Amino acid sequence: GENVEQHPSTLSVQEGDSAVIKCTYSDSASNYFPWYKQELGKGPQLIIDIRSNVGEKKDQRIAVTLNKTAKHFSLHITETQPEDSAVYFCAVSNDYKLSFGAGTTVTVRA
Amino acid sequence: GAGVSQTPSNKVTEKGKYVELRCDPISGHTALYWYRQSLGQGPEFLIYFQGTGAADDSGLPNDRFFAVRPEGSVSTLKIQRTERGDSAVYLCASSSHGGGVYEQYFGPGTRLTVT
Repeated sequence: GENVEQHPSTLSVQEGDSAVIKCTYSDSASNYFPWYKQELGKGPQLIIDIRSNVGEKKDQRIAVTLNKTAKHFSLHITETQPEDSAVYFCAVSNDYKLSFGAGTTVTVRA
Repeated sequence: GAGVSQTPSNKVTEKGKYVELRCDPISGHTALYWYRQSLGQGPEFLIYFQGTGAADDSGLPNDRFFAVRPEGSVSTLKIQRTERGDSAVYLCASSSHGGGVYEQYFGPGTRLTVT
């Protein structure tokens, strides 16, 4: 199946700073790239997604960039707040099946 | 509106027992997915339903695992002769359409512990 690598595995940032998480994938046919946020004891929550015909997408404080040539995409969170603390997962798909990265634990320090 | 719901939220069972995990998708969603999430890992695909039929069950680890969706809405994941290695969080997701790339919305999961 699709191989998705996610870095870093943990990220600690000062409140108000930016956080960046990067994912790389192996299948050049992949065309859908969602990001999920998972809080303790809850299911993954879709926060933003991007399709292969778009290079960048922004929604308030979060943005995703995609480089199809290099097969990597990134999540950017600006002006981080304590409620941004969670585990973030990237995923990749070219059909109905999502392949996930191993997750990044983000801690926002007050 | 109501999201995906899963019951029970937690299930503890003894090795060798049979368990059923239930998923109620978002109303009107035709596609339903099961994933399994081990501690510290991302979810892994198990099975995909389009309507009542299992369109892809390639992620089921072995024949002890089976899932149904008889009326095209609620789905049940069934695990026979449970093993300690089956312990994980079982997640259900649904999307408005199937057969392609559509946003998948996840439920809170069922945490299964096999003792």
